[in-house]
Amino acid sequence: DQQVKQNSPSLSVQEGRISILNCDYTNSMFDYFLWYKKYPAEGPTFLISISSIKDKNEDGRFTVFLNKSAKHLSLHIVPSQPGDSAVYFCAASAGGTYKYIFGTGTRLKVLA
Amino acid sequence: KAGVTQTPRYLIKTRGQQVTLSCSPISGHRSVSWYQQTPGQGLQFLFEYFSETQRNKGNFPGRFSGRQFSNSRSEMNVSTLELGDSALYLCASSLGHREYNEQFFGPGTRLTVL
Repeated sequence: DQQVKQNSPSLSVQEGRISILNCDYTNSMFDYFLWYKKYPAEGPTFLISISSIKDKNEDGRFTVFLNKSAKHLSLHIVPSQPGDSAVYFCAASAGGTYKYIFGTGTRLKVLA
Repeated sequence: KAGVTQTPRYLIKTRGQQVTLSCSPISGHRSVSWYQQTPGQGLQFLFEYFSETQRNKGNFPGRFSGRQFSNSRSEMNVSTLELGDSALYLCASSLGHREYNEQFFGPGTRLTVL
């Protein structure tokens, strides 16, 4: 049972435009969410996180939105740059479990 | 600060053999988690160690085991290797003592089982 789902395996966006990556979850106990970026031959690197007490968190070009009622979060990248081309994973955790459940990833390609 | 290191980076084994992978966390981090990444499956959680104790376990068979040493370094062992064990194995470290922790990943060990 995939508790964290990224239904779009890939996404292509023009440079300078907005990239929106989506993530859905099923476990209502999840209360902390993270986004990671992964380049080939490297481990994932942390991008941004959000706790369930917020509905938005922003860090430079990256903004994460959380809709608890829909059990949905999204990562917005504005403006998109070619260097953003990577696989993006969302992850979720239930407080106190110290365990993270990852989605299957979305490959973002930013076209110059 | 040095990042998370994993050794070896690449490994080729044959079915039935066993393998041990090593992970050195960021200095001061006491939690180490292990993940298996295969195409289309994302990162599947294997287990998490904190202060030498397994604190969490994923849904993998008993052939997958791990341990953590007093210096927080961790090893993962897979016995009786199967073809389906071919994957990228990632470890991640975090402080581990707060309820919410960012995890920092190593570059992974690419295991190929022939």
